[in-house]
Amino acid sequence: NAGVTQTPKFQVLKTGQSMTLQCAQDMNHEYMSWYRQDPGMGLRLIHYSVGAGITDQGEVPNGYNVSRSTTEDFPLRLLSAAPSQTSVYFCASSPPGALGQYFGPGTRLTVT
Amino acid sequence: GQQVMQIPQYQHVQEGEDFTTYCNSSTTLSNIQWYKQRPGGHPVFLIQLVKSGEVKKQKRLTFQFGEAKKNSSLHITATQTTDVGTYFCAGPESSNDYKLSFGAGTTVTVRA
Repeated sequence: NAGVTQTPKFQVLKTGQSMTLQCAQDMNHEYMSWYRQDPGMGLRLIHYSVGAGITDQGEVPNGYNVSRSTTEDFPLRLLSAAPSQTSVYFCASSPPGALGQYFGPGTRLTVT
Repeated sequence: GQQVMQIPQYQHVQEGEDFTTYCNSSTTLSNIQWYKQRPGGHPVFLIQLVKSGEVKKQKRLTFQFGEAKKNSSLHITATQTTDVGTYFCAGPESSNDYKLSFGAGTTVTVRA
């Protein structure tokens, strides 16, 4: 199993550009989530999904969209990038029962 | 909303010494999870505690869940250089086990 994979590893955007961060898992986990990590602030939940076709907002959802058309994939879309979205983004998935989350390797995003 | 706080933010430890990091929640938690993130890496799930007063051990790591289920601690004995990293605790929101709030983490450095 590859576990949780994320692409790209690094990305630089200009203010106002849009892009999609990709996340996939091959463990058949129903639950998937997106976090951003900023220095000194831990991980903050952006959006999450408890299954295909079901998504919900986390703590910091503004400026981001998600969809979940399959169990395996959970892309995160930045609609109009802003410098405040410069961060490291982690995707995670969890088996039934929410017993811990498996994190992907992360995407380091810089918005200039 | 729920807040999860960790102290200390930084822990500098002499190799071989013991230390403890603490996690406190503003609300009662159904469970608490601990993660470790090595420098430049992604968070890795260590353990989940569910019961009031629960104590679990993983080799030199001892995890405890408070009686009131509002606090937790991680104690590491005989610290080694492999213990370097940031340790996060995370607890779910009261009505949603999938919506995790992470503490800001304790970053551990080890002096050889």
